Amino acid sequence: EIVLTQSPGTLSLSPGERATLSCRASQSVSSSFLAWYQQKPGQAPRLLIYGASSRATGIPDRFSGSGSGTDFTLTISRLEPEDFAVYYCQQYGSSLSTFGPGTKVDIK
Amino acid sequence: EVQLVESGGGLVQPGGSLRLSCAASGFTFSDYWMHWVRQAPGKGLVWVSRIKSDGSSITYADSVKGRFTISRDNAKNTVYVQMSSLRVEDTAVYYCARGGRWELRPNWYFDFWGRGTLVTVSS
Repeated sequence: EIVLTQSPGTLSLSPGERATLSCRASQSVSSSFLAWYQQKPGQAPRLLIYGASSRATGIPDRFSGSGSGTDFTLTISRLEPEDFAVYYCQQYGSSLSTFGPGTKVDIK
Repeated sequence: EVQLVESGGGLVQPGGSLRLSCAASGFTFSDYWMHWVRQAPGKGLVWVSRIKSDGSSITYADSVKGRFTISRDNAKNTVYVQMSSLRVEDTAVYYCARGGRWELRPNWYFDFWGRGTLVTVSS
């Protein structure tokens, strides 16, 4: 099983600032099969990024993903008030899918 | 518009059973892998099970293997999970999620999610 580690656990930032979230895998994620989700309290997760760097339909271009192998990054270029949430990475390159523990982005 | 609507959650005693349903609409249900993902209160997301578009391939997480049974009825556009021998640690919101089309690999990203249904296992 591929274990995903996300850092930091919590990121305290102000609107307008840049957010950089990390997701590290215990072994290489094949073909960059890595996705990112956003989850707000009481809501289902929403797909942001798939294939490490492709934005899902309707996702603003302030969200971008990068990385390969074992190290991946989600960047939010300028935080909007609606971006404060928990972000999860997911790998789907192995036989069983796994999620990271999440990074909470809260208002400083 | 793609919609996934879960139902069937509730309070059950340890050792009990429950069946969750997920009704799908807005897409050709019989073309897609479907998955169940759960989230314990205040915790992260955990993949539970998946079923291929035609039901011919099924996989479970080790934590539920032998206790949960996933199935689907393509005529009703619905995926189910029968949960038995429930434990306190099965307490969670259960989401159904759409995976990839049948011709893709079993593991895929989840582009649509239901709102979830809460299962509470407690005496």
